[in-house]
Amino acid sequence: GDSVTQMEGPVTLSEEAFLTINCTYTATGYPSLFWYVQYPGEGLQLLLKATKADDKGSNKGFEATYRKETTSFHLEKGSVQVSDSAVYFCALSRNNAGNMLTFGGGTRLMVKP
Amino acid sequence: DVKVTQSSRYLVKRTGEKVFLECVQDMDHENMFWYRQDPGLGLRLIYFSYDVKMKEKGDIPEGYSVSREKKERFSLILESASTNQTSMYLCASSFSGSNEKLFFGSGTQLSVL
Repeated sequence: GDSVTQMEGPVTLSEEAFLTINCTYTATGYPSLFWYVQYPGEGLQLLLKATKADDKGSNKGFEATYRKETTSFHLEKGSVQVSDSAVYFCALSRNNAGNMLTFGGGTRLMVKP
Repeated sequence: DVKVTQSSRYLVKRTGEKVFLECVQDMDHENMFWYRQDPGLGLRLIYFSYDVKMKEKGDIPEGYSVSREKKERFSLILESASTNQTSMYLCASSFSGSNEKLFFGSGTQLSVL
């Protein structure tokens, strides 16, 4: 079945450092790919998405490119802030039907001043 | 702003009790979902509903049931709570159609003793 694999955390960075969180997937067909973020004490919220190969999703300085050849959707940000500290989830849609998502295990990011 | 409200933030129950988790959304969304979130496992889909009185099993429905009598409300029921159901439960909703954004509640942390 479909699956999503993320790098294990926590990832600890200093403010203004470069961020990469790796995400790879296994799926039949051509799923859409998503990054959701969960801030402390809150529910998940959509950060960005890409619906087809070579699409780049971007939001709030974060970006990720849908790479079909490597089945990857790595999240990057050029300069992280303390306020980016959160848990990040990579996810894929299941056959583009009903918005059912398969999530990865989540990666906790801690940014220190 | 869309609001997804879960009735309790923290809940403590005894083994064998019947437990109800309630979720209400205020944006007339067709789809509603129940996920459980466990460290390292990410989010796993328990049940979802695409219309009133309609429900579909997700990946881990065993030990759970759901009810959707009104469009805005989706209830998760643990018929006889067990310790392995201790977890964070997240409700989400979305419009129907492909690649629609999911809106999440802030979660209910359930402890079964």
